[in-house]
Amino acid sequence: ETGVTQSPTHLIKTRGQQVTLRCSSQSGHNTVSWYQQALGQGPQFIFQYYREEENGRGNFPPRFSGLQFPNYSSELNVNALELDDSALYLCASSRIAGSNEQYFGPGTRLTVT
Amino acid sequence: KNEVEQSPQNLTAQEGEFITINCSYSVGISALHWLQQHPGGGIVSLFMLSSGKKKHGRLIATINIQEKHSSLHITASHPRDSAVYICAVTSGSARQLTFGSGTQLTVLP
Repeated sequence: ETGVTQSPTHLIKTRGQQVTLRCSSQSGHNTVSWYQQALGQGPQFIFQYYREEENGRGNFPPRFSGLQFPNYSSELNVNALELDDSALYLCASSRIAGSNEQYFGPGTRLTVT
Repeated sequence: KNEVEQSPQNLTAQEGEFITINCSYSVGISALHWLQQHPGGGIVSLFMLSSGKKKHGRLIATINIQEKHSSLHITASHPRDSAVYICAVTSGSARQLTFGSGTQLTVLP
C-alpha cells in the first residue's frame, strides 16, 4: 500500500459529458502527477501539480484540467468526453517536485460510451 | 520511435526459468524505473536506478547509462510473478515518467 488513494474506482460516462476524478496523496507529499493508460499501452503523462500550481504538462488538450488543494489532494477534470478517453487514470504523489520517486494510487477506470 | 522501448512485448515461461526483460531509451534521464502492474491496475515500484545494479530477492535490475539500456532479470520464476512489467524513465523539469508499453509475463506451473 502506497498511501495514495483514488476515487471512484470505476466510472461510466457518456460521450460529451464531464468527469472529475480525485486523488489523495501520501502524507507529507506535496506533488501529484496524473497519467492516462489506454488498454494495452503504457501510461502517458497528463500533468503535474506542485503546491497548487501546474508544474508540467504532457501532450493533452485543454479539456483535461486539474486542481490541487491546500491539503495537496488533487482533481483531474475532463470536459466533452470522447470515446478515446476510456482508460485507466493513475495519480502518483511525490514528496517534492523534482523527486524521482513517485507513489501510485490504484487508479480509476473510466469508460466512455 | 518511442522514447522508451521494451522487449519482448509478451513472454511465457515455465516455473523456475530465468527471465530477462529489456528496455532501451533515447532521452536523457535522471532515473530509470522498473514497475509491476497486476490485472487490477495498481502499479508497484520494483526498482529505481541511476547507475549499476540493484537486487531485491529474486529480482535483479541493471542499467548501462552509456548504452541507454536496462534489463530486469527474474531468477527461479514463479507463477505469482505473472504480471505486466513496465520500464519507465524520469526526465524533464517535472521529473515526469515516460513509460514503455510493458511486457506481459506469464509463468506457467
